[in-house]
Amino acid sequence: AQTVTQSQPEMSVQEAETVTLSCTYDTSENNYYLFWYKQPPSRQMILVIRQEAYKQQNATENRFSVNFQKAAKSFSLKISDSQLGDTAMYFCAFMMTGANNLFFGTGTRLTVIP
Amino acid sequence: NAGVTQTPKFQVLKTGQSMTLQCAQDMNHNSMYWYRQDPGMGLRLIYYSASEGTTDKGEVPNGYNVSRLNKREFSLRLESAAPSQTSVYFCASSEWRGGRSEQFFGPGTRLTVL
Repeated sequence: AQTVTQSQPEMSVQEAETVTLSCTYDTSENNYYLFWYKQPPSRQMILVIRQEAYKQQNATENRFSVNFQKAAKSFSLKISDSQLGDTAMYFCAFMMTGANNLFFGTGTRLTVIP
Repeated sequence: NAGVTQTPKFQVLKTGQSMTLQCAQDMNHNSMYWYRQDPGMGLRLIYYSASEGTTDKGEVPNGYNVSRLNKREFSLRLESAAPSQTSVYFCASSEWRGGRSEQFFGPGTRLTVL
């Protein structure tokens, strides 16, 4: 079974600063996908960034980037130039290649302080 | 293009009552999902439908039934609600295209069982 662990239940960051959210996962698969989802107070789940395990290059989407360490089974999210709108729950998720379902971590509540 | 829609947004039931949560997507996706989100936990898969006419159990299927009415619609039924089913329920849909898949989520239904 796949498990996803987020060891930081809550974090805070000053506006305009950088913050890193941690995620580790456990799998025996070699091909898979990793995701970070954002859930603001509206409850809507929004995809922030994805990483294909076969790609060595870390994914980047504007202010969001990941540090993917396949051997260590680690997938952290870095948010640069934090904005008030980044305040949300962030979930790390795993999906096997060709599968349909996502396995989620328990989430990290991020607060951006003005 | 509404994406994934869910009805109702909120519902309160008494123990033993039944109800159906409705979900529809207008993105012509083959796969649809039902998740539940409990406090302090990530989303957990209840049931999914890889394509029209098929359904499969996820991680927490007990107490639920589903129907894939057509390609657009995927409903979740609670036959005899229990307080343990108090949760936020999310519907999602996805499609594999070009070797990539992304799940799109509805806004969620907050269900309280008294």
